Amino acid sequence: SQTIHQWPATLVQPVGSPLSLECTVEGTSNPNLYWYRQAAGRGLQLLFYSVGIGQISSEVPQNLSASRPQDRQFILSSKKLLLSDSGFYLCAWSRGRFGVGTDTQYFGPGTRLTVL
Amino acid sequence: GQQVMQIPQYQHVQEGEDFTTYCNSSTTLSNIQWYKQRPGGHPVFLIQLVKSGEVKKQKRLTFQFGEAKKNSSLHITATQTTDVGTYFCAAPRETSGSRLTFGEGTQLTVNP
Repeated sequence: SQTIHQWPATLVQPVGSPLSLECTVEGTSNPNLYWYRQAAGRGLQLLFYSVGIGQISSEVPQNLSASRPQDRQFILSSKKLLLSDSGFYLCAWSRGRFGVGTDTQYFGPGTRLTVL
Repeated sequence: GQQVMQIPQYQHVQEGEDFTTYCNSSTTLSNIQWYKQRPGGHPVFLIQLVKSGEVKKQKRLTFQFGEAKKNSSLHITATQTTDVGTYFCAAPRETSGSRLTFGEGTQLTVNP
């Protein structure tokens, strides 16, 4: 079966500090990977989307970047955090283009980031 | 771009009452999906509806897809405290089937 891991679970960082959040998927190959941000009590904002190693699509201009150094690894980064970067960051995967049910997404446990 | 409107934003019910959330799109959808997010948790996939007029049930939950494939609903019969959470509908984007457009969600609270 497939599992998705995210770490850390919670993070408190000062403004201006760097950020690195990691997401890994097990039990599947060539997944599509996604980074979302969720503000408290709000919906899901898609930040980045990847269909393969080194292939990143950015949804909105922002202070964040994403990388996919390996097939099942997705990293969210920032060089200098802003107060507005606080939120709940969720990684998700879906089956790649040759799979059945390619658009159903499965979410990781998330990282709660507080920028002070 | 494609939008999926979901109402209501909040719903407070007494335990045992029914609950319904609605999802509407201005465009025809290839499918509609429903997710549940418990307080403090992450969204969990519940179900996918594909066919026009489709109705699916999961215990006390009934999911419907409209005949025109532009709207959907989730109905919970006799709510329980375990139903608390936010329910999201989601639909594949017109330009990219692997990306989803999520509704804003309906936050359900159940008073015991």
